[in-house]
Amino acid sequence: AQSVTQLGSHVSVSEGALVLLRCNYSSSVPPYLFWYVQYPNQGLQLLLKYTSAATLVKGINGFEAEFKKSETSFHLTKPSAHMSDAAEYFCAVSDQYAAGNKLTFGGGTRVLVKP
Amino acid sequence: AAGVIQSPRHLIKEKRETATLKCYPIPRHDTVYWYQQGPGQDPQFLISFYEKMQSDKGSIPDRFSAQQFSDYHSELNMSSLELGDSALYFCASSQHGQGGGEQYFGPGTRLTVT
Repeated sequence: AQSVTQLGSHVSVSEGALVLLRCNYSSSVPPYLFWYVQYPNQGLQLLLKYTSAATLVKGINGFEAEFKKSETSFHLTKPSAHMSDAAEYFCAVSDQYAAGNKLTFGGGTRVLVKP
Repeated sequence: AAGVIQSPRHLIKEKRETATLKCYPIPRHDTVYWYQQGPGQDPQFLISFYEKMQSDKGSIPDRFSAQQFSDYHSELNMSSLELGDSALYFCASSQHGQGGGEQYFGPGTRLTVT
């Protein structure tokens, strides 16, 4: 079984400040890890993914995440927040070896960007 | 680029009615997933299909059924609707064997049961 825990359901940052969203996972098999962003009343858009290649993954919109196996973490960062980053962010895990590759999501973190 | 298409985008039904949601995957994608997202909640996996066969099953109620057709589109059939079925239903698609297993999500169907 797999699970994801996102620390902090709400994060408030100032425009231009560092964005740090925390994600810890649990998996009995090597995982694939993902970060998705969801804007109000919209679907989920893939930001980035970890697939057992490089541990530091760069994604769209200036986001990046680092896979740390020893800490079972996959935290998402962005050096400088922009107003357009206000959204909900979901960390997700899937099983590399499963036929279905279903995603198990964390509870989400809503980001508020203050001017 | 073509994306996942879901129809309808909004649906209002009464209790005990039935609903059918449709999903058209990205061209050449052979795997379809259905997720349910309740208000203020994270998406929960319902069911998936690969090459028209069910590949995995999650927390899908027995009142729901789904299938994937020869053109790879999928339909989620929901019967005896309950108030608690009100949610955003997402379909996602992927290409089997593609490294990373990334899924591309549609815009969702918002189902309201009154």
